[in-house]
Amino acid sequence: ETGVTQSPTHLIKTRGQQVTLRCSSQSGHNTVSWYQQALGQGPQFIFQYYREEENGRGNFPPRFSGLQLPNYSSELNVNALELDDSALYLCASSSQTGTDTQYFGPGTRLTVL
Amino acid sequence: KQEVTQIPAALSVPEGENLVLNCSFTDSAIYNLQWFRQDPGKGLTSLLLIQSSQREQTSGRLNASLDKSSGRSTLYIAASQPGDSATYLCAVSSSYGKLTFGQGTILTVHP
Repeated sequence: ETGVTQSPTHLIKTRGQQVTLRCSSQSGHNTVSWYQQALGQGPQFIFQYYREEENGRGNFPPRFSGLQLPNYSSELNVNALELDDSALYLCASSSQTGTDTQYFGPGTRLTVL
Repeated sequence: KQEVTQIPAALSVPEGENLVLNCSFTDSAIYNLQWFRQDPGKGLTSLLLIQSSQREQTSGRLNASLDKSSGRSTLYIAASQPGDSATYLCAVSSSYGKLTFGQGTILTVHP
């Protein structure tokens, strides 16, 4: 049990809508990263937050945004949903950037119709 | 741009066999390499982490090796069991912790 939780478990939206996914990191972890995993693929890095500031970003458009709050929670927001946004969204937390083990949550399955 | 490749894409073995999963990466400037397990529709469970200065790590029946200069890692599973059936992912870490994943190896261990 990693202690990283995500909500909701499943979500169905339609094209053009907006969605907010939530993650609660392990206590003491000041780094959270978000990944998108399409069916049959490895996870793709979206962005990372370290002490509430964005610390790196993958090849995702600006309609993917996020924030990290001081209470070890984090949000991923996606605007103007597209069909290709259907995926499993994973968050991962760690106590240090770069060298530490990253612990993943169970994910949120997003379906865009 | 870092690219990670895993071979084979799928593997089916009888229970009790020892097996090796392979992972290769194109840029040797990594901070660490992690092996994960993923059950269908679930999140990732970290199995082993090897820092860039290390050569191998062991946990129970699992042993992972790292050859950073050649861009290769292997995950060795001894005496496989049906409960080992899952997708195994390797990922390399950049300086700030961005993980680049391979596409995974789907392992099936049949009784």
